[in-house]
Amino acid sequence: ETGVTQTPRHLVMGMTNKKSLKCEQHLGHNAMYWYKQSAKKPLELMFVYSLEERVENNSVPSRFSPECPNSSHLFLHLHTLQPEDSALYLCASSQDGPGRYGYTFGSGTRLTVV
Amino acid sequence: GNSVTQMEGPVTLSEEAFLTINCTYTATGYPSLFWYVQYPGEGLQLLLKATKADDKGSNKGFEATYRKETTSFHLEKGSVQVSDSAVYFCALREGYGGATNKLIFGTGTLLAVQP
Repeated sequence: ETGVTQTPRHLVMGMTNKKSLKCEQHLGHNAMYWYKQSAKKPLELMFVYSLEERVENNSVPSRFSPECPNSSHLFLHLHTLQPEDSALYLCASSQDGPGRYGYTFGSGTRLTVV
Repeated sequence: GNSVTQMEGPVTLSEEAFLTINCTYTATGYPSLFWYVQYPGEGLQLLLKATKADDKGSNKGFEATYRKETTSFHLEKGSVQVSDSAVYFCALREGYGGATNKLIFGTGTLLAVQP
């Protein structure tokens, strides 16, 4: 248990489905992140939220839609995905401000698009 | 811009061998440095960190020393076990936090330890 919980752990969805990934942290952190990890590729930062506001969107296709309703929860809404979107989606959180902190990661959601 | 360069893997070792995974960085300021480990099917876990020059981070027998003169943060372990088989990521974070001062990752190095 890392303090960051992601659900579901595994998800298989068709290209016409709509699903959501959930991330929850109770570490008191004020920033949250979505990463995509594909086989044989570097980690890709998708979205950054700080104090519940999106501060970065790294050219992510609109079929991925993040939502951060409060500082403890982060969602990634998925619709009309493509097979190349199959990957491990990782959520992370951090405490921002003075001091030099790393991120705490969840265990990820393994997404397969069929 | 800031970047992290890791040695390419896979690194294949026999049990009880000495491990070194090289990591060098480029940064304009004074970053904090991290090693993360990812076991099969899992997310990334913080392994160790160092926040200033000459600091040594250590955990579970792993060590890394922040070398500002060589801009390096090499990961070492004196005697690896099969259970250490995983992907290891070097990372840096510059500045004093802030979500825009992101954690910058290397590409990861796969370590495979054989019995």
